[in-house]
Amino acid sequence: DIQMTQSPSSLSASVGDRVTITCRASQSISSYLNWYQQKPGKAPKLLIYAASSLQSGVPSRFSGSGSGTDFTLTISSLQPEDFATYYCQQSYSTPSFTFGPGTKVDIK
Amino acid sequence: QVQLQESGPGLVKPSQTLSLTCTVSGGSISSGSYYWSWIRQPAGKGLEWIGRIYTSGSTNYNPSLKSRVTISVDTSKNQFSLKLSSVTAADTAVYYCARVEYQLLFSWFDPWGQGTLVTVSS
Repeated sequence: DIQMTQSPSSLSASVGDRVTITCRASQSISSYLNWYQQKPGKAPKLLIYAASSLQSGVPSRFSGSGSGTDFTLTISSLQPEDFATYYCQQSYSTPSFTFGPGTKVDIK
Repeated sequence: QVQLQESGPGLVKPSQTLSLTCTVSGGSISSGSYYWSWIRQPAGKGLEWIGRIYTSGSTNYNPSLKSRVTISVDTSKNQFSLKLSSVTAADTAVYYCARVEYQLLFSWFDPWGQGTLVTVSS
């Protein structure tokens, strides 16, 4: 099974900050990596697919990079609506999918 | 645009079977090359993929749940369903349905239903 880890598990940041979240896979997953944003009481929302492709309608301040085992999600200038939990998810071992444990971004 | 909505009992007794339905609106469940999936999230915890189904009826399940899970599809009603047998308190979670979109060999979950809380308790 492919295990996903994320770091940090939580972070505090201010509006306007540049934020970077890291996701690591237990084996190489090429670019089969997606990122989701989840706000309290809401379903996850797709932000990035295939490691670096921005989902339609998602603000351009979100970007993804990486391949192999190490990936990053970057928010270039944190906005008030970006305070949420972020999950990575691998689709390399489809049909078996696994998610990372999440990174909670809250207000400093 | 396609929308998904989960429905089913919010309370299930231990050892019984949890049954949920996801209704797809805004498009046919049979159109396009999509799979349809169930995912769950215990309170305050992460996301766990449960399984997926194609409109042909072909299924794949999480190995950790495979012995207890059945996913089925009813294309005439534009719905797919989840059954999880022999439930325990550990199965208490918010259950989401989601579409699995594919491009080339890449896949992702989008969109998602709003989720439904299922509590296992006597």
